[in-house]
Amino acid sequence: GENVEQHPSTLSVQEGDSAVIKCTYSDSASNYFPWYKQELGKRPQLIIDIRSNVGEKKDQRIAVTLNKTAKHFSLHITETQPEDSAVYFCAASNPGGTSYGKLTFGQGTILTVHP
Amino acid sequence: EADIYQTPRYLVIGTGKKITLECSQTMGHDKMYWYQQDPGMELHLIHYSYGVNSTEKGDLSSESTVSRIRTEHFPLTLESARPSHTSQYLCASSEPQGALYGYTFGSGTRLTVV
Repeated sequence: GENVEQHPSTLSVQEGDSAVIKCTYSDSASNYFPWYKQELGKRPQLIIDIRSNVGEKKDQRIAVTLNKTAKHFSLHITETQPEDSAVYFCAASNPGGTSYGKLTFGQGTILTVHP
Repeated sequence: EADIYQTPRYLVIGTGKKITLECSQTMGHDKMYWYQQDPGMELHLIHYSYGVNSTEKGDLSSESTVSRIRTEHFPLTLESARPSHTSQYLCASSEPQGALYGYTFGSGTRLTVV
């Protein structure tokens, strides 16, 4: 089955700096890669996603890049703000086969943005 | 508002009690999931369903059971709660086309077994 590795497990930055979280996946058939943000005491929420026919996607201060050859994808947050502090999860899915679209999540990254 | 709802938000219960965690969604999604989230953050899939009368065990072995009698309802039951079951339980659902549209998560149930 799919295996997703996420690094780093914790990330501390100063307000205004950039933050990068990286994930690698094992199943070359995976073609959908979402990112979730979970604030303290709240539910995980989808913040951005990318499909395998696209190499990069941006939404204001966040962007995701995908390297299918190397089987890794990354989340980039620019001009970080204290409200970006949260746990971030990457995920991967393959709509075919026995997984039938089930998401496999990375281990999570605790991002802390210091004012 | 179309969403996914979990009750209760918090539950403290004694060892040996039977409990049911409720999950309902009003989005008409076929696929539903239960995740266990430990204090170390990781999300562990314990059950999933692709539609009515369909249930499968997830990647993490769990003593809980689930049922899917109605599309909108996916309850999780523990017949005899133990302290090792203390955790946060998150329910999620996704579009018929599956994870290509991402999951919507409920707010979770934080279970403490004493």
